[in-house]
This record gives sequence, C-alpha cells and structure tokens, in this order.
Amino acid sequence: QLQLQESGPGLVKPSETLSLTCTVSGGSISSSSYYWGWIRQPPGKGLEWIGSIYYSGSTYYNSSLKSRVTISVDTSKNQFSLKLSSVTAADTAVYYCARRKSGDNYFDYWGQGTLVTVSS
Amino acid sequence: DIQMTQSPSSLSASVGDRVTITCRASQSISSYLNWYQQKPGKAPKLLIYAASSLQSGVPSRFSGSGPGTDFTLTISSLQPEDLATYYCQQSYSTPWTFGQGTKVEIK
Repeated sequence: QLQLQESGPGLVKPSETLSLTCTVSGGSISSSSYYWGWIRQPPGKGLEWIGSIYYSGSTYYNSSLKSRVTISVDTSKNQFSLKLSSVTAADTAVYYCARRKSGDNYFDYWGQGTLVTVSS
Repeated sequence: DIQMTQSPSSLSASVGDRVTITCRASQSISSYLNWYQQKPGKAPKLLIYAASSLQSGVPSRFSGSGPGTDFTLTISSLQPEDLATYYCQQSYSTPWTFGQGTKVEIK
C-alpha cells in the first residue's frame, strides 16, 4: 500500500523559508504514470494546489506562488521536497503531499498533512 | 484560472436521505472533475474521478455526474460515517483548483 509522509518544522519565522519533505513508501516515485505534488489548507479554509514534480525533475507551479516556490525530487531516497520562501502569516496552513495521476490529474494518495505555523 | 463554485456551502440531512452537492466550473472542463471527502482532522480522500468514475473501495452509494460546467455528487442513502466536507477539483488545466467545500452534517 502506497504511503506518503510529510516531515519538517512546524514553526517558521516570518520572512524565512518553509521547508518540507515527503517520503514515499510502498511504491516508486519514479513511476511514469504519476506526478508528485503539494497542496495546502489554511485553518478552517479550502484547498490550494501549490505545485507538482515529475520524477525526471519537471516542475509545475501555481502562478500565485511561483515566485516563492521550489519543488525538488530525490529519486534515490524516494522523496520530494517543498521550499516556500519569504513566508508570512498567510502561509500558515496544513501542508499535504499527494500523488497525482497523469492524464486524469486526480490526487489519489495523500499524506496525513503537517501543520506549519508562521509566527515570530 | 478556472473557478469552481460549490453549492450549498453546508447541509444537514438525516440518515437514509438522498444528498446532492453541486459544483459549477467557470468554463467547460469536459469530464475533468474529481470529488474528495475530507473528514475532520484528516487528509482528503478521492471518491470520484473523471466526473463519474468511482474510486476503488468507495461505497456505491456515492455517484457523480457531468460533463461540461455543471457537476453533481450524490449520496444515495446518507450514512453516519458520511459526516465530512466534500470538495470538487477541476483537472482540466493548471492551476488545479478546488471548490470551497460543502460541509455535510447529520441531523
């Protein structure tokens, strides 16, 4: 059974960089049929797609965050990572990593999510 | 960006009721519409993809319809475990966008 697990600091100071890693187990991140992505959810609010990466390293970002986002992949560790720079309180959210099916573009496996709070 | 609008924002229904949630896209998205269920404190779970295809393991009381701009998620007989917020998501073009959610409560 495929599992995704987010890890990283739960508290980040304003203007600093948020860094999270998603570890994939029970399957290969190098599958040609899937992309790997990040989605966030501010407390009590809806879902926002941040960006996705293919195992080859090709990336796709939400234009609303593109200037601050970097997603990378490490196939040797079966991991992919998110960096979000210059964070503010508006970036406080639960961050989910998820697998996206190529073509139909639905998210079929999700991590449990990790709350990141931006505060001094 | 394609805007997704769900209605209603919340509803309350009794066990056994038929429940329908609507999702409208700001432009035609063919059948590129997915539905997720999010229970409190949990990650979203895929229910329906490509407007009407049931994800493996999802109870058959869930169904979806489309295509075009107007889509529905139907729960044929509401169960206590269906207490959750339901989100639609368009998968037609990036950025992938979600509806604002519909909270389903049990009377």
